[in-house]
Amino acid sequence: AQKITQTQPGMFVQEKEAVTLDCTYDTSDPSYGLFWYKQPSSGEMIFLIYQGSYDQQNATEGRYSLNFQKARKSANLVISASQLGDSAMYFCAMREPLTGANNLFFGTGTRLTVIP
Amino acid sequence: SAVISQKPSRDICQRGTSLTIQCQVDSQVTMMFWYRQQPGQSLTLIATANQGSEATYESGFVIDKFPISRPNLTFSTLTVSNMSPEDSSIYLCSVDPPLLQGANRDYGYTFGSGTRLTVV
Repeated sequence: AQKITQTQPGMFVQEKEAVTLDCTYDTSDPSYGLFWYKQPSSGEMIFLIYQGSYDQQNATEGRYSLNFQKARKSANLVISASQLGDSAMYFCAMREPLTGANNLFFGTGTRLTVIP
Repeated sequence: SAVISQKPSRDICQRGTSLTIQCQVDSQVTMMFWYRQQPGQSLTLIATANQGSEATYESGFVIDKFPISRPNLTFSTLTVSNMSPEDSSIYLCSVDPPLLQGANRDYGYTFGSGTRLTVV
């Protein structure tokens, strides 16, 4: 089974509107961590936001917030007040520390296009 | 968080040759990760590099094709050997966040800026 699933290959949003990018995950590690990254056309990976499995509140970082629904195993990224510079690929990723491997597993990504 | 300098940023190479990619970190880190991102695809872990020991390779990746060095806690190289056009990808190194606590915790894994490799 896929560890991280992103079902939206592409999304469009009007400038200044909010958009939700979906992410579901599958793990048996109770101490998992969830991450969102932005990858512009330049190829760099920009860390946006983190949610720990034991965190009681949804993570927020500026215009980014994470809608964490633990029972549904979903961690959707919400971008408010979209800007043209938000156009990029967005990747959801997970870490499973109890496996002993500290790397990230990535989803297939969602390409977001912000329309002026 | 750590800052990573990755070189080269891009290269065009002839098939059958090898390319060595370098990542220099501005602080000491235990683990360094090497990922491959094929065109239009997600990131796939190639191997984890620990200082003083052999790298641990993921299924589908072998040391003869992707030899890795980790001579100290701030530096690592990945070599793509005997290249073919199928090796055309972005290669990225990454480090895990420092184990900080409380308000100073930083959970973001830092990535190098990537090496865009084209094999012709």
